[in-house]
Amino acid sequence: DAGVIQSPRHEVTEMGQEVTLRCKPISGHNSLFWYRQTMMRGLELLIYFNNNVPIDDSGMPEDRFSAKMPNASFSTLKIQPSEPRDSAVYFCASSFEQGRTEAFFGQGTRLTVV
Amino acid sequence: GEDVEQSLFLSVREGDSSVINCTYTDSSSTYLYWYKQEPGAGLQLLTYIFSNMDMKQDQRLTVLLNKKDKHLSLRIADTQTGDSAIYFCAEAANKLIFGTGTRLQVFP
Repeated sequence: DAGVIQSPRHEVTEMGQEVTLRCKPISGHNSLFWYRQTMMRGLELLIYFNNNVPIDDSGMPEDRFSAKMPNASFSTLKIQPSEPRDSAVYFCASSFEQGRTEAFFGQGTRLTVV
Repeated sequence: GEDVEQSLFLSVREGDSSVINCTYTDSSSTYLYWYKQEPGAGLQLLTYIFSNMDMKQDQRLTVLLNKKDKHLSLRIADTQTGDSAIYFCAEAANKLIFGTGTRLQVFP
């Protein structure tokens, strides 16, 4: 397996534009996590899914953020409209059984909103 | 709350031992993890410990767990320059919550 695959690796967009980040988890994993990493706030859990169902989205900062997992092999994190303070590295991770086994991380998407 | 706390920086000389400390909050956490993040990369699992253990050793790595104080530590023996990275502890009950990360700098 190629591991968790995120795209794009880098995204630069103008304030107000819609941004969509994509994640393909490891095949067979049933939990998927979206994290945001910044210097100021460290690594924050935004939302996680178990068996494609959102379990906890309490970390999603605002209504501008939304995440979907239409099937077991794909998830998106959307920001609409984007703002400069959304600039961060966004990581997707997957695990076989939430909280009980190792979470494997993607390489991250570095988002810059100008 | 769900704050997992770590000191932000640690600087050690090559060959010395490094000890990175972490305090967590959820006493129901069944697994506690240490992850390593190198520049420009995602996080990779270094080691983990079950909550019913108090120590685990894995080559140069030793994890100590004090459940009463909710304190976790990672000791790296014979620290090398390649160990320079950010180290995160994480607790797992229902979800995986990460600490703030400790930036380890190893100097010759």
